[in-house]
Amino acid sequence: GAGVSQSPSNKVTEKGKDVELRCDPISGHTALYWYRQSLGQGLEFLIYFQGNSAPDKSGLPSDRFSAERTGGSVSTLTIQRTQQEDSAVYLCASSPTAVNTEAFFGQGTRLTVV
Amino acid sequence: GENVEQHPSTLSVQEGDSAVIKCTYSDSASNYFPWYKQELGKRPQLIIDIRSNVGEKKDQRIAVTLNKTAKHFSLHITETQPEDSAVYFCAASIGNYQLIWGAGTKLIIKP
Repeated sequence: GAGVSQSPSNKVTEKGKDVELRCDPISGHTALYWYRQSLGQGLEFLIYFQGNSAPDKSGLPSDRFSAERTGGSVSTLTIQRTQQEDSAVYLCASSPTAVNTEAFFGQGTRLTVV
Repeated sequence: GENVEQHPSTLSVQEGDSAVIKCTYSDSASNYFPWYKQELGKRPQLIIDIRSNVGEKKDQRIAVTLNKTAKHFSLHITETQPEDSAVYFCAASIGNYQLIWGAGTKLIIKP
């Protein structure tokens, strides 16, 4: 079946512009995560959605970052007034349940802020 | 805050030899420990995981051991093959759904 899909795969934007990244999770998966991966680093947790519950936004690095998940499916991560330090690969993952279990990752969006 | 330390950052082994990657974690309440493999330019994929009620788990050439007292866990790959070349990440759970990730180990298999 279809895996987690992210778009765009690459995004180059000018400093100060807003960007929107999209994630289509696996159908039926209730849990959805956004991570940030900088070169040579591990995954940095950004935000977690579970069903209709309030999202865990504790990992968002600043108020320029926000995310939504509509209808319990597609999610968008928005970065306003992008800065060069926002350059990274943004990974989305989904899981079938709320409790710790395998996360299925998308291929990521490589964001470059110039 | 909670953290996971992963060592080594780079590991080079001869094809056919074994590779061991070690992680330590800080939260004594962590109870889920997955390992992910990320090949160059590809997405991370789960290769094995272990929960705190067991000390070891094996899947063919891959095994993971967990020492809860010492708060460390290790990935063991035997009979390494070229396709094992990748970056490997360990992680430890925080609560029911959040993971804290190690910084990754680049495994290089020399022919």
